[in-house]
Amino acid sequence: EIVMTQSPATLSVSPGERATLSCRASQSVSSNLAWYQQKPGQAPRLLIYGASTRATGIPARFSGSGSGTEFTLTISSLQSEDFAVYYCQQYNNWPPSWTFGQGTKVEIK
Amino acid sequence: QVQLVQSGAEVKKPGASVKVSCKASGYTFTGYYMHWVRQAPGQGLEWMGRINPNSGGTNYAQKFQGRVTMTRDTSISTAYMELSRLRSDDTAVYYCARDWEYCSGGSCYSSFDYWGQGTLVTVSS
Repeated sequence: EIVMTQSPATLSVSPGERATLSCRASQSVSSNLAWYQQKPGQAPRLLIYGASTRATGIPARFSGSGSGTEFTLTISSLQSEDFAVYYCQQYNNWPPSWTFGQGTKVEIK
Repeated sequence: QVQLVQSGAEVKKPGASVKVSCKASGYTFTGYYMHWVRQAPGQGLEWMGRINPNSGGTNYAQKFQGRVTMTRDTSISTAYMELSRLRSDDTAVYYCARDWEYCSGGSCYSSFDYWGQGTLVTVSS
């Protein structure tokens, strides 16, 4: 099973600053990597798929990069609505399986 | 617009079973895989499995093999997830989520683009 490790567990950032979240896979997942945002009491929301493509309606301040085993989600200028937990997720072709990282909480500094 | 509406909260005793429904609207139900993901209180997301609403074919996470059954009723565009032999550590919010497959340059990438609102299942004696 592919294990996804996110760092840091918690990131304290001031509004307007840049946030950089990391996700590492235990083996290569190519570009089969997605990022989700989850706010308290809500379902996750898809931000990025294919490692770097923004989902419909996602603001341009969110960007994803990486391939293989190392991935990054960058939020260029944090807005108040961006404080949430972020999860990365990989997809493995065979056997079909999806694995999430443990999450990074972005909190107000 | 795409909507996934799940059934309401459940309270079950250890050893019992629970069946959660997920009614889809706003798109062709049989055209997209449906996944089930759970989240224990204060914890992360855990993929449980998926169903092909067209064929009924399923893939389950190894952890849940033998305890989970995913089915669908295409006449009412509804997917179901049944979990048996419940334990206290099955207490969680259970989500259905639609699969989104994007293909480019010979490669296809899977993610979950629409989610249900979640169903809290509490297992307690």
